[in-house]
Amino acid sequence: GENVEQHPSTLSVQEGDSAVIKCTYSDSASNYFPWYKQELGKRPQLIIDIRSNVGEKKDQRIAVTLNKTAKHFSLHITETQPEDSAVYFCAANPPGGYQKVTFGTGTKLQVIP
Amino acid sequence: GAVVSQHPSWVICKSGTSVKIECRSLDFQATTMFWYRQFPKQSLMLMATSNEGSKATYEQGVEKDKFLINHASLTLSTLTVTSAHPEDSSFYICSARPSSGRPTYEQYFGPGTRLTVT
Repeated sequence: GENVEQHPSTLSVQEGDSAVIKCTYSDSASNYFPWYKQELGKRPQLIIDIRSNVGEKKDQRIAVTLNKTAKHFSLHITETQPEDSAVYFCAANPPGGYQKVTFGTGTKLQVIP
Repeated sequence: GAVVSQHPSWVICKSGTSVKIECRSLDFQATTMFWYRQFPKQSLMLMATSNEGSKATYEQGVEKDKFLINHASLTLSTLTVTSAHPEDSSFYICSARPSSGRPTYEQYFGPGTRLTVT
């Protein structure tokens, strides 16, 4: 099955700086890579996603890059704000069947005002 | 749109009792729903895939006789934790994949149910 690794497990940045979270996946057939933000005790919220036919996608301060050859993808948050503090999960989704999503281990991001 | 609800949001039960958690897709139909368990400071671990009208598919290590899943309609799946024990205390989250009308590779999460077994 799919295995997703995520680094770092914790990340502290000063407000206004950039944050980068990296993930690798094992199943080369995976073709959908969502990123989720989860605040304590709440549901994961989809913040951005990318499909395998695209190398990069940007939405305001958030961007995701995908390297299919190396099987890794990254989340970039620019101009971080205190409200960006949360746990972020990457995920990989293989095609076909029930399309089970495998989550990374999570990154706790702390933005220091 | 694409709202998923869960009930209850939190529950406390005594060891040995059973607890049922409901997951509903409110404005779309979902042939497939997923049940996850999340322990504190850990990731979401898929427990089972719930399919309307058929038996659920459980992940390795998840006891199907302990975690009963019923997906009786295109908008409702239930998870019953039978003979709950303190180690079953966790945050249970469901998600639903739309059957049509929206990208089927997306999934929409419920708000989660906090289960505490005393």
